[in-house]
Amino acid sequence: DAKTTQPPSMDCAEGRAANLPCNHSTISGNEYVYWYRQIHSQGPQYIIHGLKNNETNEMASLIITEDRKSSTLILPHATLRDTAVYYCIVTPGGSQGNLIFGKGTKLSVKP
Amino acid sequence: SAVISQKPSRDICQRGTSLTIQCQVDSQVTMMFWYRQQPGQSLTLIATANQGSEATYESGFVIDKFPISRPNLTFSTLTVSNMSPEDSSIYLCSVEEVRVGHYGYTFGSGTRLTVV
Repeated sequence: DAKTTQPPSMDCAEGRAANLPCNHSTISGNEYVYWYRQIHSQGPQYIIHGLKNNETNEMASLIITEDRKSSTLILPHATLRDTAVYYCIVTPGGSQGNLIFGKGTKLSVKP
Repeated sequence: SAVISQKPSRDICQRGTSLTIQCQVDSQVTMMFWYRQQPGQSLTLIATANQGSEATYESGFVIDKFPISRPNLTFSTLTVSNMSPEDSSIYLCSVEEVRVGHYGYTFGSGTRLTVV
């Protein structure tokens, strides 16, 4: 079973920040938090990952709480093309073979 | 990131027949994976395919139903055998890559299978 809990759906206005929460209260010390998204009819796409520290790249920011039991993916200026299912995945670092997908959050960006 | 080409992109098949899905990667990769995504559901791992060894299947998936080949480091096939309508799903291949500071996973665009 997936080790994460996410809201099934969220709405966001175009141009506003989208904040997607993820609960991973049973995360182990060596486990990373990864975020992927799946736009309709495409394969999942890597967004960002982190261990302890907050991370930022050209797509998004990842905020991880100090106790590491939850995190938030932030899309700073959501566009209609960001409409997708977003998956938060907890997985050990290093080559470990596969990703276990939960149900994810369906983000709908509206004009 | 690796570029993955998956064929066919979609197919409609008769029950009782078999379909072989191809996954071609533009670089050599050690680990390849096959996932199934049933309608409206999340992705479920079918098996891990490493070159030079038998595929490792997840619980609920068997080799007779989903035989996998991995003849080299850039190619793999998944066959869906003796299909029934319950096999209607999107099938995706994925590869593990070494990136700066972490291992990343790239996915193909999937094969949308409809069994009638």
